Amino acid sequence: GENVEQHPSTLSVQEGDSAVIKCTYSDSASNYFPWYKQELGKRPQLIIDIRSNVGEKKDQRIAVTLNKTAKHFSLHITETQPEDSAVYFCAASRNAGNMLTFGGGTRLMVKP
Amino acid sequence: DTEVTQTPKHLVMGMTNKKSLKCEQHMGHRAMYWYKQKAKKPPELMFVYSYEKLSINESVPSRFSPECPNSSLLNLHLHALQPEDSALYLCASSHQSASYEQYFGPGTRLTVT
Repeated sequence: GENVEQHPSTLSVQEGDSAVIKCTYSDSASNYFPWYKQELGKRPQLIIDIRSNVGEKKDQRIAVTLNKTAKHFSLHITETQPEDSAVYFCAASRNAGNMLTFGGGTRLMVKP
Repeated sequence: DTEVTQTPKHLVMGMTNKKSLKCEQHMGHRAMYWYKQKAKKPPELMFVYSYEKLSINESVPSRFSPECPNSSLLNLHLHALQPEDSALYLCASSHQSASYEQYFGPGTRLTVT
């Protein structure tokens, strides 16, 4: 089955700096890669996703890049703000698959 | 309506009790999921229903019993749980499969005493 590894497990940045979280996956058939943000005591919420026919996707301060050959994808957050502090999970799924495999999570702390 | 709802928000139960968790969505999604989440860990998949049929059971103990009465509802029946089953139980739904955005409910915080 799929295995998704995520690094780092914790990340502390100063407000205004950029943050990068990296994930690798094992199943070459995976082609959907979402990122979820989970604030303390809240539900996970999708912040951005990318499919394997695209190398990069951007939404305001958030971007995701995908390298299919190397089987890794990354989340980039620019101009970080204190409200970006949360746990971020990457995940991977096959096309029409019923299972989403999550990475172990990254706790991002943005210091004002 | 782009929301998944879950009841109850909190549940405390003894090891001999029987209780049920409920999940509802009205987005027309045909895939629904139960996850278990321990503190500081990612959601761990338990069950997947696709078009109201159980398609994945991730080797979950039989003390957890899922049910999908219709396309909008998902239940998780609990019986004879153990203290290690204490966790946040999340329901989610997606359009057709896991290759679409999953919308999560707020979860039920379960404590087994």
